Amino acid sequence: AQSVTQLDSQVPVFEEAPVELRCNYSSSVSVYLFWYVQYPNQGLQLLLKYLSGSTLVKGINGFEAEFNKSQTSFHLRKPSVHISDTAEYFCAVRVSGNTPLVFGKGTRLSVIA
Amino acid sequence: EPEVTQTPSHQVTQMGQEVILRCVPISNHLYFYWYRQILGQKVEFLVSFYNNEISEKSEIFDDQFSVERPDGSNFTLKIRSTKLEDSAMYFCASTPRDRNQPQHFGDGTRLSIL
Repeated sequence: AQSVTQLDSQVPVFEEAPVELRCNYSSSVSVYLFWYVQYPNQGLQLLLKYLSGSTLVKGINGFEAEFNKSQTSFHLRKPSVHISDTAEYFCAVRVSGNTPLVFGKGTRLSVIA
Repeated sequence: EPEVTQTPSHQVTQMGQEVILRCVPISNHLYFYWYRQILGQKVEFLVSFYNNEISEKSEIFDDQFSVERPDGSNFTLKIRSTKLEDSAMYFCASTPRDRNQPQHFGDGTRLSIL
């Protein structure tokens, strides 16, 4: 079975500062990795995905993540955050095919003016 | 861009009553899912559905729950006799024929059991 650990439940950061949200996973087989964002009172929106190929993946809104197989990590980064990035961020994994997503507990990013 | 739509956005129900949550997946998608998120907790998988039958379900999805695709467009989750602990945000998701593509989520239905 797969599991996901998001080490930080809350991350406050000043506007225009860089941010990294950490995600580690465990799995005995190859996985697909995702980051979703949830703005207040909204659903889950896909930020980016790693299926195969280049380990550095770029997503929407200037976010990127790097898949590190040896460290079983998929940390999310943005070089300069905006107030509008304030949201809950979820890391998720699944194995190939029609299998359910396994989510981490989420990290609440709060961008301070 | 096509969206997964869920109705209602908020449902308030008395404990013991039946509730049906509705979802319209993206039209050319073939795989459908329900997840729930209890306040302050992680998003948890409930059930997946393909070709008019359940393909996988979690321990949470007990006999009180059922899913149906009654008319080729709607995908419903029924809770037969609601309990206080069923209060949560329920998300519907779907994926296209290429099962390796990401799941697309709706905005969710907030279910409050009184």
